[in-house]
Amino acid sequence: DADVTQTPRNRITKTGKRIMLECSQTKGHDRMYWYRQDPGLGLRLIYYSFDVKDINKGEISDGYSVSRQAQAKFSLSLESAIPNQTALYFCATSDVRGGFYNEQFFGPGTRLTVL
Amino acid sequence: GDSVTQMEGPVTLSEEAFLTINCTYTATGYPSLFWYVQYPGEGLQLLLKATKADDKGSNKGFEATYRKETTSFHLEKGSVQVSDSAVYFCALSDLEGGYQKVTFGTGTKLQVIP
Repeated sequence: DADVTQTPRNRITKTGKRIMLECSQTKGHDRMYWYRQDPGLGLRLIYYSFDVKDINKGEISDGYSVSRQAQAKFSLSLESAIPNQTALYFCATSDVRGGFYNEQFFGPGTRLTVL
Repeated sequence: GDSVTQMEGPVTLSEEAFLTINCTYTATGYPSLFWYVQYPGEGLQLLLKATKADDKGSNKGFEATYRKETTSFHLEKGSVQVSDSAVYFCALSDLEGGYQKVTFGTGTKLQVIP
């Protein structure tokens, strides 16, 4: 089984709809992240969480919100989806043990299309 | 702030050709450096990393050396295979405000033809 899972894998929705993307991990990591990937722009950080009570905005948090329901679960919500939120969304985790410079482990991604 | 610049793609090579993908960075601290690879339809996965100057990361025939004097971390492979076709991301991890911050480059698509 995959260590970091995302649901759904694909979603098509309409402008104005509320959407939730979910992420679960079995790696036991405290840190979790949400990124979006757009062609030519690489990955940009939306939100990150270093534990259940520590949630922080990333560089492009406007229009998004998150919830850290448990150590293993981190959800991303689009309260009112708009077409320029069409992108590939990735969840990632990393381990606090061993310092601040550990690699991240990524889920398979959710392809979101907003019409 | 921190930034990562990598060569634009796509890069198209014949099988068994030599590969170089350039990556340079700017950072306020003393970062760790990474190369991630993204195969079609998948998430990113770590390819290799280096945590201090002159360290060489290596994996699956790929290598990259942390060059502090030139702020570079170029990815190389001596003989590419069709299965290496993917998008490659250079990234750095640094401390910012007491938190780990990861900055990614824009990615370089590699296509290897038989």
